[in-house]
Amino acid sequence: KQEVTQIPAALSVPEGENLVLNCSFTDSAIYNLQWFRQDPGKGLTSLLLIQSSQREQTSGRLNASLDKSSGRSTLYIAASQPGDSATYLCAVRGGSQGNLIFGKGTKLSVKP
Amino acid sequence: EAQVTQNPRYLITVTGKKLTVTCSQNMNHEYMSWYRQDPGLGLRQIYYSMNVEVTDKGDVPEGYKVSRKEKRNFPLILESPSPNQTSLYFCATLDPGRMNTEAFFGQGTRLTVV
Repeated sequence: KQEVTQIPAALSVPEGENLVLNCSFTDSAIYNLQWFRQDPGKGLTSLLLIQSSQREQTSGRLNASLDKSSGRSTLYIAASQPGDSATYLCAVRGGSQGNLIFGKGTKLSVKP
Repeated sequence: EAQVTQNPRYLITVTGKKLTVTCSQNMNHEYMSWYRQDPGLGLRQIYYSMNVEVTDKGDVPEGYKVSRKEKRNFPLILESPSPNQTSLYFCATLDPGRMNTEAFFGQGTRLTVV
């Protein structure tokens, strides 16, 4: 059964720092991997989706990479800002059905 | 604009009083799903549906029912809610036929059962 792990569970950095969030999964047979942002008590905002055949995707200050063979993805945030403070979730889609398996998230705090 | 709409956004109810949380999507997707999110446990799938009149259990289906009579709607039914169903609920949809499609989520429903 697919398991998704995100390390660290929480991270606090000063404004302006570049940072990396990690996501690992146990079964490399995935369709895609999606990164989400969640503000406290709010919904999920999709940040980036990487297909299984891709190595990375970029959107603005965000860059997500995927190494399917090793079961790892990273989300790189450049020049972090206080507005980036949120919980970041990764989810893998393992099959044609569409079901997503989520990690428990990394809670990011960017201090001014 | 792609939208997944859940109602209500917030609900406080009493143990045993039947309730329904509605979910509607405007993307004509065949696949829809319900998740609950709890501190320390993350998001867990309750039920999903691959098409009209086709539903399947997820990882935590106990105490829930769903129906899929139309493609756009996928209501979540709690026939006899209990306090352990207090949670944040999300409805999701995606196009299962495409590998490069992202999942879209509703805004969430915060349910409290007292």
